[in-house]
Amino acid sequence: EADIYQTPRYLVIGTGKKITLECSQTMGHDKMYWYQQDPGMELHLIHYSYGVNSTEKGDLSSESTVSRIRTEHFPLTLESARPSHTSQYLCASSEYSGTPNTEAFFGQGTRLTVV
Amino acid sequence: KNQVEQSPQSLIILEGKNCTLQCNYTVSPFSNLRWYKQDTGRGPVSLTIMTFSENTKSNGRYTATLDADTKQSSLHITASQLSDSASYICVVTPPWDSGGSNYKLTFGKGTLLTVNP
Repeated sequence: EADIYQTPRYLVIGTGKKITLECSQTMGHDKMYWYQQDPGMELHLIHYSYGVNSTEKGDLSSESTVSRIRTEHFPLTLESARPSHTSQYLCASSEYSGTPNTEAFFGQGTRLTVV
Repeated sequence: KNQVEQSPQSLIILEGKNCTLQCNYTVSPFSNLRWYKQDTGRGPVSLTIMTFSENTKSNGRYTATLDADTKQSSLHITASQLSDSASYICVVTPPWDSGGSNYKLTFGKGTLLTVNP
């Protein structure tokens, strides 16, 4: 079982609210990622980080922002939630081993519904 | 067009039967190809990882094959169990950047497998 945790698991929130999805890992991994997944669709990378104070946008444009102040923590924030943000958000982490076969571990996901 | 196409989209089988899931990809070159199992409402869990030089990898009742010439991979599940009901996702990793700055996975949409008693 991977030591990567996401909270909350489920969130229903009103339009315009600010929300933060939490992601923490206890494996000491340098690399962390946020993916967005709609039902029946593939995962899309929205943010990634290679270490503290390093964040980059992913392939899928997202209005969310991330921060990486501590190695183990990679929160995602939506300043003003909209119904179009309704989706499942998955956090992942991996260590930097210098090889391409490094395992990526996923959290259980946060299912966000904006009403 | 998605660079990783999986088939079938969904599959229903009886407990104890075998099944094979397909993955066609256009990502080339690539570093490795992975199969993940994703239970409903959970995060993906890795089943196998194969580099382009490997053509088969097993993990218990799961056996993945890779044909880099035809850009096809398959996941064979033997003696299916009810707990095998999940989405199975094919993932391709683009070439590795020695600086470690390129590590982006390309995901397929998955095959939803249902195992009935």
